[in-house]
Amino acid sequence: AQSVTQPDIHITVSEGASLELRCNYSYGATPYLFWYVQSPGQGLQLLLKYFSGDTLVQGIKGFEAEFKRSQSSFNLRKPSVHWSVAAEYFCAVGSSSGGYNKLIFGAGTRLAVHP
Amino acid sequence: DAMVIQNPRYQVTQFGKPVTLSCSQTLNHNVMYWYQQKSSQAPKLLFHYYDKDFNNEADTPDNFQSRRPNTSFCFLDIRSPGLGDAAMYLCATRLYGDLNQPQHFGDGTRLSIL
Repeated sequence: AQSVTQPDIHITVSEGASLELRCNYSYGATPYLFWYVQSPGQGLQLLLKYFSGDTLVQGIKGFEAEFKRSQSSFNLRKPSVHWSVAAEYFCAVGSSSGGYNKLIFGAGTRLAVHP
Repeated sequence: DAMVIQNPRYQVTQFGKPVTLSCSQTLNHNVMYWYQQKSSQAPKLLFHYYDKDFNNEADTPDNFQSRRPNTSFCFLDIRSPGLGDAAMYLCATRLYGDLNQPQHFGDGTRLSIL
């Protein structure tokens, strides 16, 4: 069965430090992978996506993610964080079940940033 | 800007009193989704439409219904809300095609049950 695991429920980093949020997926075919961010009381905003090609993907707000097929991972990174990126982050894989795209979400990682 | 708009942002209803949540889009996407998101959880898909083709998730309660009168609008009806239905409800749209096409989300409606 298709699934997404985000091992870290909460992460706290200091402002200016680097960030890596982990995501592991289970999917039988070529995965379509997404990272979304959700600020409190808001909807989900797409940060970046991967479906083929270069395994290092650049997204908005200075985020990047690296697809590693051998590790079934799609970790999100940012070299230096600002307090404004504190939010909930969701990794998702696109499933073609039923012919229509569905997103299978991980449980999310809540990011806090210390000043 | 083209976007997905949900109204209202906050909705309070009484236990058992029917409530309707609204979603509209200017993206002209043919697929629309409704998700339920409870506190500190991932969004859970309730159902989705491809044009007027309705697709219900197997575990979506019968208490939840949906209507899509045209491409731009989609409604979520909760016939008899219970306390367990208090949640954020998210609408999303997508252009049908390659799976790499992302879903675009609205800002959600937070539903409270008294």
